Amino acid sequence: NAGVTQTPKFQVLKTGQSMTLQCAQDMNHNSMYWYRQDPGMGLRLIYYSASEGTTDKGEVPNGYNVSRLNKREFSLRLESAAPSQTSVYFCASSEFGLDNGYTFGSGTRLTVV
Amino acid sequence: SQKIEQNSEALNIQEGKTATLTCNYTNYSPAYLQWYRQDPGRGPVFLLLIRENEKEKRKERLKVTFDTTLKQSLFHITASQPADSATYLCALQFSGSARQLTFGSGTQLTVLP
Repeated sequence: NAGVTQTPKFQVLKTGQSMTLQCAQDMNHNSMYWYRQDPGMGLRLIYYSASEGTTDKGEVPNGYNVSRLNKREFSLRLESAAPSQTSVYFCASSEFGLDNGYTFGSGTRLTVV
Repeated sequence: SQKIEQNSEALNIQEGKTATLTCNYTNYSPAYLQWYRQDPGRGPVFLLLIRENEKEKRKERLKVTFDTTLKQSLFHITASQPADSATYLCALQFSGSARQLTFGSGTQLTVLP
């Protein structure tokens, strides 16, 4: 049982390049989330998908887009990377009604130079 | 906007003692409050969830209290061990928020042998 799988684990981009961060969960959870984590600022929500077919903006959505491809997969796209997007990105999933909290992936460490 | 404060960025205690971490929030009371553990280079791992109508919850050596009057949660680790050394995050979820979590920036706990 893998839980939440994120790829890649590390990435270096040049300013202006684009890339997609992939996330897949195998727990049949309805809700999925993308967070970024920066030193001293905690985890901040970028986008979330409450259920398959829906996506909504979180606290810091500018410069990002998402796709809920199916119930398992939720991708995050940077169309034109900027140095301010250097961060560690975490994908998570959860199921409403269960007291099990979120399950997080191991993260993608992204550096934009 | 909601603000979450966790006491001091770092806390050092001696092995065997009880560690107490604090999470304070402003404005509206959450429906749920959760605690996570994060090790370096890893994603957060869910520990405990407490609801707004619960005063206390326990799990093995962990205890969480929730005081909606003080707008505060306390997280206790009894008989602490060096393996408990990690960063602990509190997170709040509000009713009707599609289970979005707002995270504090965390407290780094070091248990000294």
